[in-house]
Amino acid sequence: DTAVSQTPKYLVTQMGNDKSIKCEQNLGHDTMYWYKQDSKKFLKIMFSYNNKELIINETVPNRFSPKSPDKAHLNLHINSLELGDSAVYFCASSQDLAGGETQYFGPGTRLLVL
Amino acid sequence: AQTVTQSQPEMSVQEAETVTLSCTYDTSENNYYLFWYKQPPSRQMILVIRQEAYKQQNATENRFSVNFQKAAKSFSLKISDSQLGDTAMYFCAFLGNAGNMLTFGGGTRLMVKP
Repeated sequence: DTAVSQTPKYLVTQMGNDKSIKCEQNLGHDTMYWYKQDSKKFLKIMFSYNNKELIINETVPNRFSPKSPDKAHLNLHINSLELGDSAVYFCASSQDLAGGETQYFGPGTRLLVL
Repeated sequence: AQTVTQSQPEMSVQEAETVTLSCTYDTSENNYYLFWYKQPPSRQMILVIRQEAYKQQNATENRFSVNFQKAAKSFSLKISDSQLGDTAMYFCAFLGNAGNMLTFGGGTRLMVKP
């Protein structure tokens, strides 16, 4: 059973397009996250949601819009894609906002903007 | 803001030998959590081990153990009896007690040689 899943795993698109990445977790967790891993492998938080509410927005351009239809899903929509958006995007989840909860990651989505 | 530093961009070890990966961090918090994640070529982020700062005992998980030195703000990972499947990027990560965003180090690429 896949705990945190993401679709698609690979996404190749042209500059200026709009694309979405979907994330689902079947762990019963309340909190979900999006992280971005750049070409140098550096990982940084983008957003976190708790029970469908936005908790963290780490100075991400407003072309990125997360949406959480329910607490098991956190999707990432990106408008007007730019070359610099090329990266691997990871979804993660944790039990809740209580201190120290382990975050479990999805397999990542590799986005390439041409 | 917290920072996490991994000073070894790349390391190699012979199969069956022991290797230690270094991690230092900077924080003003007293309660926090530290993690090591493994990212093999498959790109999946896999939790290796976690340590609660309030615990003096070092965490262990089978062949993986940590040396947690709170005063020195050091959190190294020791891999015993290295196996070919341990070849991966290893990321050290910090989680504060109040927040829920992981702060990652830059990673150490480990190659296990036969």
